[in-house]
Amino acid sequence: SQTIHQWPATLVQPVGSPLSLECTVEGTSNPNLYWYRQAAGRGLQLLFYSVGIGQISSEVPQNLSASRPQDRQFILSSKKLLLSDSGFYLCAVGWGLSYNSPLHFGNGTRLTVT
Amino acid sequence: RKEVEQDPGPFNVPEGATVAFNCTYSNSASQSFFWYRQDCRKEPKLLMSVYSSGNEDGRFTAQLNRASQYISLLIRDSKLSDSATYLCVVNSAGAGSYQLTFGKGTKLSVIP
Repeated sequence: SQTIHQWPATLVQPVGSPLSLECTVEGTSNPNLYWYRQAAGRGLQLLFYSVGIGQISSEVPQNLSASRPQDRQFILSSKKLLLSDSGFYLCAVGWGLSYNSPLHFGNGTRLTVT
Repeated sequence: RKEVEQDPGPFNVPEGATVAFNCTYSNSASQSFFWYRQDCRKEPKLLMSVYSSGNEDGRFTAQLNRASQYISLLIRDSKLSDSATYLCVVNSAGAGSYQLTFGKGTKLSVIP
């Protein structure tokens, strides 16, 4: 079965500081990987998804970026955080290779930008 | 029209009650549908997929109406542990897309 490791669990960062959130997956090869964000009182917003190493599709331009340096590693980054970047960041993996597969989420990182 | 729309609730029901949630979606080409459950400050977890013919998992029944573009979730004999937010999820962009769009969720509180 798939296991998703996501860290840190909580993070408080000042405005303008950089960000790096890491997600690693076990128990599957060549997974489809996703980054979602859930802002307070709002639904989940898809930020990025990746179908393979070095392949990143962006759904929101903003000041965030993603990278996939290894098959089971997905990184979310920012050079300068904004207050509006606060939220609950979730890494997810597709349960299957089909685009119709449901997603399995990691425990998430709760980011507060001050 | 929003891509996936849910009644935010909250639904406050007594233990043992039956409660139903509805969800509407805007993209008629959507092909996959799910219900997720999210506990407070936790990640969403898959509750069940929704199939065209309808499907049941214990106390939970999911229905899909493609003609009207809505999905429903029925919970029978509610338990305190069912208290959570229920998210409707749709593959919003149709065939070939990797995008699952989440509704904002319906909050359920089961009261003793």
